[in-house]
Amino acid sequence: GAGVSQSPSNKVTEKGKDVELRCDPISGHTALYWYRQSLGQGLEFLIYFQGNSAPDKSGLPSDRFSAERTGGSVSTLTIQRTQQEDSAVYLCASSRLLAGGPYEQYFGPGTRLTVT
Amino acid sequence: LAKTTQPISMDSYEGQEVNITCSHNNIATNDYITWYQQFPSQGPRFIIQGYKTKVTNEVASLFIPADRKSSTLSLPRVSLSDTAVYYCLVGDMDSNYQLIWGAGTKLIIKP
Repeated sequence: GAGVSQSPSNKVTEKGKDVELRCDPISGHTALYWYRQSLGQGLEFLIYFQGNSAPDKSGLPSDRFSAERTGGSVSTLTIQRTQQEDSAVYLCASSRLLAGGPYEQYFGPGTRLTVT
Repeated sequence: LAKTTQPISMDSYEGQEVNITCSHNNIATNDYITWYQQFPSQGPRFIIQGYKTKVTNEVASLFIPADRKSSTLSLPRVSLSDTAVYYCLVGDMDSNYQLIWGAGTKLIIKP
């Protein structure tokens, strides 16, 4: 079946502009995660959505970052007034969270954001 | 959240068995151990997950000693396509979905 998709695959923007990154999770997956990965580094947790619960935004680095998930499916990560340090690959993942596991996250291909 | 320590890089040759060990001294009772693989320009992919003893699937084995303070991912008969970064993660996915991702182990397989 279809996996997690993200768009755009690449985004180049000028410092100070706003950007929107989109994630389409696997159908039926109730949990959705956003991560950020800088070159040669591990993943940095940003935000987590689970069903209708309030999202856990504790990983968002600043108030310039926000995310929403509409209808329990598609999610959009918005970065306002982009800065050069925002340049990274933004990864989205989804999972089913079956009781007893396995606790497996399915990742999309990522969006490479470059702020010039 | 338990922090993990794994080698930064490893080299091996095609056809060999590769073992990557991860230390997680502060693992909690409810924590699972999960390994992911990541190729360049792709998102990570789940390899294997375990709680204790040994787990085996079609691509790897995971060995976990009784004290659970470490784990070893074993890749049998590696090929060039196994060149990737491998991440060891520890956490209770029910409540600790904010897994800490280290820099992982960059595995390079040579012909």
